[in-house]
Amino acid sequence: RKEVEQDPGPFNVPEGATVAFNCTYSNSASQSFFWYRQDCRKEPKLLMSVYSSGNEDGRFTAQLNRASQYISLLIRDSKLSDSATYLCVVSSGSARQLTFGSGTQLTVLP
Amino acid sequence: SQTIHQWPATLVQPVGSPLSLECTVEGTSNPNLYWYRQAAGRGLQLLFYSVGIGQISSEVPQNLSASRPQDRQFILSSKKLLLSDSGFYLCAWSEFYNEQFFGPGTRLTVL
Repeated sequence: RKEVEQDPGPFNVPEGATVAFNCTYSNSASQSFFWYRQDCRKEPKLLMSVYSSGNEDGRFTAQLNRASQYISLLIRDSKLSDSATYLCVVSSGSARQLTFGSGTQLTVLP
Repeated sequence: SQTIHQWPATLVQPVGSPLSLECTVEGTSNPNLYWYRQAAGRGLQLLFYSVGIGQISSEVPQNLSASRPQDRQFILSSKKLLLSDSGFYLCAWSEFYNEQFFGPGTRLTVL
């Protein structure tokens, strides 16, 4: 079983759509949780941290359920510029090493 | 503000040749530093991390080594490259075990 599992995708959605990504993790001792986005042939960039209380940043909403070991990301009113691969990331260990999901590719269509 | 640099951006090397990739961070002190590799079509894998000068931890057995000669410098090396070393190498830093921020990466092709 992979440590961090994501929807395989790809997701192809029209502009303005709402899209949801799900992720589960296996290490119950994981300490922090993030969503990163990665554009083609570029480095991952932090999109947002994920907290148990849920957090929102503009059109993006992230949720964490520690009991179910489940993380989600909701994107509302999708823009063409949202097209990217979204990485679910979990940190654990003494140096907060990151474990990445394999990513879900999103394409927003005009 | 903090900035992370990596070089070179791209590299093509023959099998059996040595490797040295460099990463430097500006605007912070005593960061945690990390090396990741992303093979073609695959996820990111943590290779090494360092919590201080001269302190290196390896996550997976491999053909590579890492060193941290200065507080904000992290070097990835190999004495003899293998074909399987090809990939996208990313350096990252974090402060106080918070979010990690990635450099622009080095795309290595071993022929």
